[in-house]
Amino acid sequence: AQTVTQSQPEMSVQEAETVTLSCTYDTSESDYYLFWYKQPPSRQMILVIRQEAYKQQNATENRFSVNFQKAAKSFSLKISDSQLGDAAMYFCAYRTIIQGAQKLVFGQGTRLTINP
Amino acid sequence: GAVVSQHPSWVICKSGTSVKIECRSLDFQATTMFWYRQFPKQSLMLMATSNEGSKATYEQGVEKDKFLINHASLTLSTLTVTSAHPEDSSFYICSARDPSWVGELFFGEGSRLTVL
Repeated sequence: AQTVTQSQPEMSVQEAETVTLSCTYDTSESDYYLFWYKQPPSRQMILVIRQEAYKQQNATENRFSVNFQKAAKSFSLKISDSQLGDAAMYFCAYRTIIQGAQKLVFGQGTRLTINP
Repeated sequence: GAVVSQHPSWVICKSGTSVKIECRSLDFQATTMFWYRQFPKQSLMLMATSNEGSKATYEQGVEKDKFLINHASLTLSTLTVTSAHPEDSSFYICSARDPSWVGELFFGEGSRLTVL
């Protein structure tokens, strides 16, 4: 079974600085999706960024980028120019690409604090 | 992006009563919806996969008679917590897959259940 591990329960960063959140996963599949979701205090899950495993290029969305290392099964999230609104729980998630079993497996989460 | 709405966002009930939570896809048809449970400061745990027109698929350890799922239409799935007890108190989140957004799930706002 696929597993997702986030080894940093909490992280903090100064406003305007850069922070990297770590995520590793375990799978025997070659094709899959990886996601980073943000859960602010409102508890609404918000998609931050996604990566298709077959794409070698790292995904980027404005201030958010990933470092996807397929061989190492690593998928870290870099947040540049951190803003107060970035404070939230961040969950890394894995999703199989097989049509019959499209489940999201979440990591334990990392609580990110932004210091003004 | 697509919109998924949950109702109610917060419900308090007495022990022994049943509570129904609705999950609607507002601007797309969702043949598959997912129900998650989240304990405080923990990750999301997949409870079941709701399939339109057929029985839900429950994850190991989830009582199907306790958590009744009905997916009667392409835009509505319901989760009924039957004979609720205080240990059922939790945050319940649904998500739905929009077929036009490959690889992405959209989440509802979540429903907080408190059983007295």
